[in-house]
Amino acid sequence: EVQLVQSGAEVKKPGESLGISCEASGYSFTSYWIAWVRQMPGKGLEWMGIIYPGDSDIRYTPSFQGQVTISADKSINTAYLQWSSLRASDTAIYYCARLKTDGADYWGQGTLVTVSS
Amino acid sequence: DIQLTQSPSFLSASVGDRVTITCRASQDIRTYLVWYQQEPGKAPKLLISTASTLQNGVPSRFSGSGSGTDFSLKISSLQPEDSATYYCQQLHSYTYTFGQGTKLEIK
Repeated sequence: EVQLVQSGAEVKKPGESLGISCEASGYSFTSYWIAWVRQMPGKGLEWMGIIYPGDSDIRYTPSFQGQVTISADKSINTAYLQWSSLRASDTAIYYCARLKTDGADYWGQGTLVTVSS
Repeated sequence: DIQLTQSPSFLSASVGDRVTITCRASQDIRTYLVWYQQEPGKAPKLLISTASTLQNGVPSRFSGSGSGTDFSLKISSLQPEDSATYYCQQLHSYTYTFGQGTKLEIK
């Protein structure tokens, strides 16, 4: 059974760093892209970027380039989303998803990140 | 970047109604369009790929159509569990943009 299990909710202060994770199981982790999607409170879905764990090819949506870092460790089937300096505007739910050529077919449960002083 | 415009943004309908949500792309994306359903408090779920291919387990009351720049998602007979927000997404060109969403309320 394909599963993407994300790390738990985080509460951070502005300026702090953070990394959240997405552990995949039930399929070949190195054979599919993993996407990260942001959903700000009460808002729609925003595509942040994707990584191909097989060769660590990464593509960012321009508005997220330089704001976050996407990575993956194929030895433990886990993808990561990291911030070096959080802002209040980073408060959102973040989803990882397995991306096929015809859509994101499996999603993690989401990680709520709250940034507040 | 390719922009997707969904309409309407909000839709209220009754059980048994037939509803249509449209998604217009800013340029030709052939059939590289998918639809997701997001129930409140849950992750999105892939409903339809390549504009019209129903995913396994999705009820047949859902259907998708279109190509080029104009697409639609139809629900033939609304059920209470269809209350959700629906998003289209283009997979033609990176970045794979989403539409702004259509919130469907069951009266």
